[in-house]
Amino acid sequence: KAGVTQTPRYLIKTRGQQVTLSCSPISGHRSVSWYQQTPGQGLQFLFEYFSETQRNKGNFPGRFSGRQFSNSRSEMNVSTLELGDSALYLCASGTGGASGEKLFFGSGTQLSVL
Amino acid sequence: GIQVEQSPPDLILQEGANSTLRCNFSDSVNNLQWFHQNPWGQLINLFYIPSGTKQNGRLSATTVATERYSLLYISSSQTTDSGVYFCAVEPGYNQGGKLIFGQGTELSVKP
Repeated sequence: KAGVTQTPRYLIKTRGQQVTLSCSPISGHRSVSWYQQTPGQGLQFLFEYFSETQRNKGNFPGRFSGRQFSNSRSEMNVSTLELGDSALYLCASGTGGASGEKLFFGSGTQLSVL
Repeated sequence: GIQVEQSPPDLILQEGANSTLRCNFSDSVNNLQWFHQNPWGQLINLFYIPSGTKQNGRLSATTVATERYSLLYISSSQTTDSGVYFCAVEPGYNQGGKLIFGQGTELSVKP
């Protein structure tokens, strides 16, 4: 069974631009959650999607948004990029239980904002 | 919100040594997971362990939910064990997919 696939692996953008990241979960998994990892703040939860609906949300500004498609693939968008958005963005795949499930992570997208 | 604290922050071991990593959390949680982040950035799920003890090869984990801590044991460490170890908790029911991570323990195993 293929794992969680994130594309692209690396991105370089400039301030003010927008970016879209993609995540394909493990086949049969219906939940995708997104995390931001920075040296200063560590790993922080962005949001989680299940059956094309946002089910949980972290404390990030509205510039961060996402969506999920009917095949469970998810995209995350960041608009009006700031230098502080430079980070490793990880997505996690799960079966979609309301709670108490094991999550599997992709290799991440490393975003650099210049 | 829930606080997750890991100790020690850094650990250097000689190959073959044993180690114990600790994770304390400040409130009741729905589940707890241990991850290893490899040099390429991927988080590998080691254990899903809301309570009790589990073993997987040279690794084992124990969670005492009533006392709000979990321990990860690494025996006979190898250089490939190097990396950052994170514990993460699900803060409550109906929070599936949402994990609160500790700051990690960076382990370096020297040959």
